[in-house]
Amino acid sequence: GQQLNQSPQSMFIQEGEDVSMNCTSSSIFNTWLWYKQDPGEGPVLLIALYKAGELTSNGRLTAQFGITRKDSFLNISASIPSDVGIYFCAGRILSGYALNFGKGTSLLVTP
Amino acid sequence: ETGVTQTPRHLVMGMTNKKSLKCEQHLGHNAMYWYKQSAKKPLELMFVYNFKEQTENNSVPSRFSPECPNSSHLFLHLHTLQPEDSALYLCASSQDRGRVHEQYFGPGTRLTVT
Repeated sequence: GQQLNQSPQSMFIQEGEDVSMNCTSSSIFNTWLWYKQDPGEGPVLLIALYKAGELTSNGRLTAQFGITRKDSFLNISASIPSDVGIYFCAGRILSGYALNFGKGTSLLVTP
Repeated sequence: ETGVTQTPRHLVMGMTNKKSLKCEQHLGHNAMYWYKQSAKKPLELMFVYNFKEQTENNSVPSRFSPECPNSSHLFLHLHTLQPEDSALYLCASSQDRGRVHEQYFGPGTRLTVT
């Protein structure tokens, strides 16, 4: 599959801070997805992006589909302790029936 | 029960054991997936079933054997596993394989091979 580079690998921040993470690929994707995984649970979809340049929000989360179609970022504003978890990006190529996942960004938030 | 459920949630097995993982979805979906999640690695797609037909086998060793008796149930039969097979095994489902970007994940089975 296509390799996705997700960074940073981990983040340790204080409550109230903003967070930014991104994903890059050597290939063009037509769909970018961002998931969150809590300990002991499966990934849950946060935001789906379908068009280059698209900027989509879900509460305090905002994600963008890069213009080159090879990257995406996720921002979390005013972080709270329940934001703790692992965030994954995933991409899908135009003719594909599978998703390619990043390695995840582990987020820790201290009160 | 709603969504995607997996049993057992935890499993410890010896290398000579035979065990099975079960996944059930209550979403009316027609595609089901098995993934392997290991620490510090991307999710690895193992198998895909679409309308009960296997459409993808991602070079998975034969000690892993999937079974999809109907669109709601998916099994992963395990036999003669190796310690490096220890991981979180996630099941997912979507309306069909064309809607893979709309898949829902189960909570996973944490497998430890001793």
